[in-house]
Parts: sequence; C-alpha cells; structure tokens
Amino acid sequence: QKEVEQNSGPLSVPEGAIASLNCTYSDRGSQSFFWYRQYSGKSPELIMSIYSNGDKEDGRFTAQLNKASQYVSLLIRDSQPSDSATYLCAVNKKGYQKVTFGTGTKLQVIP
Amino acid sequence: DAGITQSPRHKVTETGTPVTLRCHQTENHRYMYWYRQDPGHGLRLIHYSYGVKDTDKGEVSDGYSVSRSKTEDFLLTLESATSSQTSVYFCAISETDDTQYFGPGTRLTVL
Repeated sequence: QKEVEQNSGPLSVPEGAIASLNCTYSDRGSQSFFWYRQYSGKSPELIMSIYSNGDKEDGRFTAQLNKASQYVSLLIRDSQPSDSATYLCAVNKKGYQKVTFGTGTKLQVIP
Repeated sequence: DAGITQSPRHKVTETGTPVTLRCHQTENHRYMYWYRQDPGHGLRLIHYSYGVKDTDKGEVSDGYSVSRSKTEDFLLTLESATSSQTSVYFCAISETDDTQYFGPGTRLTVL
C-alpha cells in the first residue's frame, strides 16, 4: 500500500462545476496535510494546508480532512480552465523532517 | 518561487560525467530538500538538510551526494551520471520541517 494514494485521473469537469479531488494516506500518525497545484512543466505550488479535522476554506478552494478515515480532499468551486493542472496531495508526520507526496491527480476543466 | 533559484535550469550531459545542481535560497530557511520527479512516481526525496553541514538520505539517495556549507546553498552532485538519472529535479525549502516551497526545477538529460 502506498503511503499517499491519489487517483491519477484525468478528472474532467465542465467550467463552473465543482471539482472534487481525493487522497488517502496510510500513516495514522500523520499530522499535516497539503495540497499543491502543478502546471505542466512548472514546479509545485502550495494551495492549502490543513491540520485539524473538518473543512478549511480559502476562496474557491476547500480542503477537507477526516483523520478517522485517513482521507483528505480538495474541492474547487466554480472551476475555471486555468484550474487545469495536476494536484498533489502531501502528508507530513511532525518531527520526521520529510513530507510524502502522492503521484497527483490531473484535472481538466472543459470550457 | 519564494526566493528559491536553481541552476542550471536545463542540462544535457553524457553518461559517466559528474554533474552538480545548485539550489539557492534568500529566505534563510533551515530545511532544504532535493527531489526528483518522474512520470508514474511523483516526487521522490533524494536528500535533505536540516542545517549547515547537516544532511540525511531520502528514499532514492543511491548515486547522489549533497553538501550544504552555507544556509542559502544546497548542492546536489551526481558523481557519475547514468541514464536512469534523467529527470526533473526540484529543490524545496521549509522554515520548519513542515510546509515546503519549491524552486523552479532543473531538467537533466543524461545521454
């Protein structure tokens, strides 16, 4: 079992819809959770971090964390073609000095 | 890119030659990381540093060495490049051992 698992996609959604990206992790001791966006040929860019169970909203983005289910998700409301990218889920266990990344989900927003 | 530069940005080299990639930061962050990114594997940690002269191995460290003689610089060396080391290399920095910010990347091709 991979430490951090994501569906590779592509996930296709129409413009204006809600895109839902999911991630599961295996280490119950994980404490910090991140979503990065990576455009083709570019470096990963931090979108959201979440540390507590529940929802965290930032503009059109909402991160959701459920530690009991070992599940973290990212919702993108009013999806735009500019949101088309690969989204990386990352998980950290405090004190372990390294973050584990999933392989990413490719999102395509269709105009 | 959060005050992080990588050099060179692109490099083509031949099998057996030594290669050094440089990561430079202006953020005075304690932690620095080297990753490689390959299709189907996502981001994999090569080496990381938790202070000047303090480094440790990641999950794919074979064939790579690092050095950090100053807070702002983290060097990755391929002593004798092989074709399997053709990849995109990203440097990342972190103030704590948590949220990471990535440099622009170096595309390395080993012929």
